[in-house]
Amino acid sequence: AQSVSQHNHHVILSEAASLELGCNYSYGGTVNLFWYVQYPGQHLQLLLKYFSGDPLVKGIKGFEAEFIKSKFSFNLRKPSVQWSDTAEYFCAVTSYGNNRLAFGKGNQVVVIP
Amino acid sequence: GAVVSQHPSRVICKSGTSVKIECRSLDFQATTMFWYRQFPKQSLMLMATSNEGSKATYEQGVEKDKFLINHASLTLSTLTVTSAHPEDSSFYICSARDRGQNNSPLHFGNGTRLTVT
Repeated sequence: AQSVSQHNHHVILSEAASLELGCNYSYGGTVNLFWYVQYPGQHLQLLLKYFSGDPLVKGIKGFEAEFIKSKFSFNLRKPSVQWSDTAEYFCAVTSYGNNRLAFGKGNQVVVIP
Repeated sequence: GAVVSQHPSRVICKSGTSVKIECRSLDFQATTMFWYRQFPKQSLMLMATSNEGSKATYEQGVEKDKFLINHASLTLSTLTVTSAHPEDSSFYICSARDRGQNNSPLHFGNGTRLTVT
């Protein structure tokens, strides 16, 4: 079964700082990769996804993620965060053709104005 | 965009009672819906896959007689926590995928905070 690792559960940074959240998964086959975000008091929303093609994926709100197959990683990045990026971020993986998502534990990101 | 409505958002119940949580896809049809549970500081854990018109598929370790799932229509799935106990207190989230869109991502409900006293 696939598993997903996210480190540094709590991240605190100032506005305009750069953000990178690590995501590693354990599955040797073809995978589909996702980052979801949950803003305070809101539901989970899709930030970006990777199915195939260019391993550098652009998402909403200036986020991007890079799929590195050799490292089983799908790290999320944003060059300059804003206070409104305060949220919890979840990495998720599903194997090709499988509906079931495996989630990481999430990263609680707090951006200080 | 696609919306999944989950109700109630919060519920407090006494031990031994049953609680029903509804998950509705508002503007799309979903043959499959998923139920997750999240304990504090832990990952979302898939509990079961709800299939319209057939029995749900439960993950290992999830009691199907305790967590009853009904997927009666293409837009509604319900999760009933029967004879709830304090250890069932958790955050329950449903999700659904638009049957009309291949490879579409999941859309999530707002979640239900269950507290069993």
